[in-house]
Amino acid sequence: AQTVTQSQPEMSVQEAETVTLSCTYDTSESDYYLFWYKQPPSRQMILVIRQEAYKQQNATENRFSVNFQKAAKSFSLKISDSQLGDAAMYFCAYRRRNDMRFGAGTRLTVKP
Amino acid sequence: NAGVTQTPKFRILKIGQSMTLQCTQDMNHNYMYWYRQDPGMGLKLIYYSVGAGITDKGEVPNGYNVSRSTTEDFPLRLELAAPSQTSVYFCASSYGRIVPNTIYFGEGSWLTVV
Repeated sequence: AQTVTQSQPEMSVQEAETVTLSCTYDTSESDYYLFWYKQPPSRQMILVIRQEAYKQQNATENRFSVNFQKAAKSFSLKISDSQLGDAAMYFCAYRRRNDMRFGAGTRLTVKP
Repeated sequence: NAGVTQTPKFRILKIGQSMTLQCTQDMNHNYMYWYRQDPGMGLKLIYYSVGAGITDKGEVPNGYNVSRSTTEDFPLRLELAAPSQTSVYFCASSYGRIVPNTIYFGEGSWLTVV
């Protein structure tokens, strides 16, 4: 069974500092996608960054980057120069075809 | 904007009873999903639909059924409720593409089976 585990229920970071959110997943497949979604109080999940499993290069989107370790089945999110607007729930997700699974989420607090 | 609306928000069922969780969205999304979330765990996909008349199983479909007769509605039926189905249920929708940029979730339905 494919499962997604986020071991940090809550994280805190000082504004302008860097924080890393952890995610591990379990799969027997070789072709899949990994994502990080941000969920503000509005309950929408907004895509932050994506990674295709066949790509070795780590994805980067402005201040957001990932450390994708395929053999270790690890997919962490690094947020650089944290801003107050980054405060939210962050969900790691795995997708193969139309089946998408989410971790339990990490609540990120940004301190001014 | 209503977004994704789920009913009921809370329900207590007795073992063996059946019920339907209603879900409707007003954004004309073709993808709709049902997830369940147990305490401290991630969201597990029960069923999903890529359009009216098309449904498919997710990770944990046993004990549930769905239908998608319209674009807007995606009800989830629990047959012969069991204590293992005690959970929080979330309906979601997105505009269909391989990687949805935004997934809209309902507020959740808390179900207890006693």
